[in-house]
Amino acid sequence: GAVVSQHPSWVICKSGTSVKIECRSLDFQATTMFWYRQFPKQSLMLMATSNEGSKATYEQGVEKDKFLINHASLTLSTLTVTSAHPEDSSFYICSVQGLAEYNEQFFGPGTRLTVL
Amino acid sequence: LAKTTQPISMDSYEGQEVNITCSHNNIATNDYITWYQQFPSQGPRFIIQGYKTKVTNEVASLFIPADRKSSTLSLPRVSLSDTAVYYCLVGGLSGYSTLTFGKGTMLLVSP
Repeated sequence: GAVVSQHPSWVICKSGTSVKIECRSLDFQATTMFWYRQFPKQSLMLMATSNEGSKATYEQGVEKDKFLINHASLTLSTLTVTSAHPEDSSFYICSVQGLAEYNEQFFGPGTRLTVL
Repeated sequence: LAKTTQPISMDSYEGQEVNITCSHNNIATNDYITWYQQFPSQGPRFIIQGYKTKVTNEVASLFIPADRKSSTLSLPRVSLSDTAVYYCLVGGLSGYSTLTFGKGTMLLVSP
């Protein structure tokens, strides 16, 4: 399967600052990547679908101006949390869409964001 | 998207076989059933996927009855390291489709 990395693995920032999280597909050209958010003891919630070379598709209730997604290449997608607030503190996980016939997603290790 | 229902938690002991059942009454004809495992502060990891009958790999088996309204993930001889949350998902295979994670089943394996 595809190997997916995320950077940073954790980040602490002050309220009002912006934070960028990178998601890289190390051995697989990913046309489609996904971004999820997971609060403590809760399930993963899909935030947006990131397609290479086009605008991301956001799930209902996710502010596209707050969570900026850029998928400029087949190996890199970035999520920028703009003007972060404590309620944005969460575990952010990206995934790469695998081969179409298996509908399998390969997940990154996640990024823990803490906003003070 | 078909909704899935799983037990919130399960307890087991090392060496036992664990069966986690997932209900998906509204599964569509082109939906596959996929199970993921997630350890704390890590991304989910694919375990197994199937459409009907039985699928087995080096990690687990997946049993799917003829009506496909449920599925059972079977973990043989669990160890402490199998303590994790297990998610059952259903989805189609045309191109790609987004995954909807339910609440999952927290499996706790004790010595």
